[in-house]
Amino acid sequence: DAMVIQNPRYQVTQFGKPVTLSCSQTLNHNVMYWYQQKSSQAPKLLFHYYDKDFNNEADTPDNFQSRRPNTSFCFLDIRSPGLGDAAMYLCATSSSLDRDYEQYFGPGTRLTVT
Amino acid sequence: QKEVEQNSGPLSVPEGAIASLNCTYSDRGSQSFFWYRQYSGKSPELIMFIYSNGDKEDGRFTAQLNKASQYVSLLIRDSQPSDSATYLCAPHASGGSYIPTFGRGTSLIVHP
Repeated sequence: DAMVIQNPRYQVTQFGKPVTLSCSQTLNHNVMYWYQQKSSQAPKLLFHYYDKDFNNEADTPDNFQSRRPNTSFCFLDIRSPGLGDAAMYLCATSSSLDRDYEQYFGPGTRLTVT
Repeated sequence: QKEVEQNSGPLSVPEGAIASLNCTYSDRGSQSFFWYRQYSGKSPELIMFIYSNGDKEDGRFTAQLNKASQYVSLLIRDSQPSDSATYLCAPHASGGSYIPTFGRGTSLIVHP
């Protein structure tokens, strides 16, 4: 089945220790998104790729970076995680061929910072 | 600043009742409206979308849209305990944008 996969599902890192979260998709969608979601809050868009074009949200901290080496994969790098970065990180995809750009979400990665 | 307002709840309804979830939005240019269901600790799952004023029904779910009032709602008939989740409203496609704006969601609890 076509899907969005995130690894790992749970990640524990130490304060200040770089961490990378990965997302892959078999949907062949050209748009990929990274969201941060904290408890009882709306998903917050960090950035997205439209094809190879990177789009950063204005309020995304510089501590967060992303890479998209090919259509299928996208990575979220947190250079120096702080306690406030503990959250669920959601990867989503959509297609410009879909009039509504319906988003398909991966299962998420729960990040804990100790 | 695009804003989406939802009552955080929790909204508690008995099994078999109708659950009514409401959402207001600030961006008058919003064209389509998505409802996502999110179980605790899981990722959002699309359950309904609506473009036109009026009602759209899909099984036990009915979405209602009133663009003049900037209001969209989701009705769940014959609510089941398995419907207990957070429901996120996400208007988008304003001015050609493909990025949705998510509300914080309403927590629904269906008790037996």
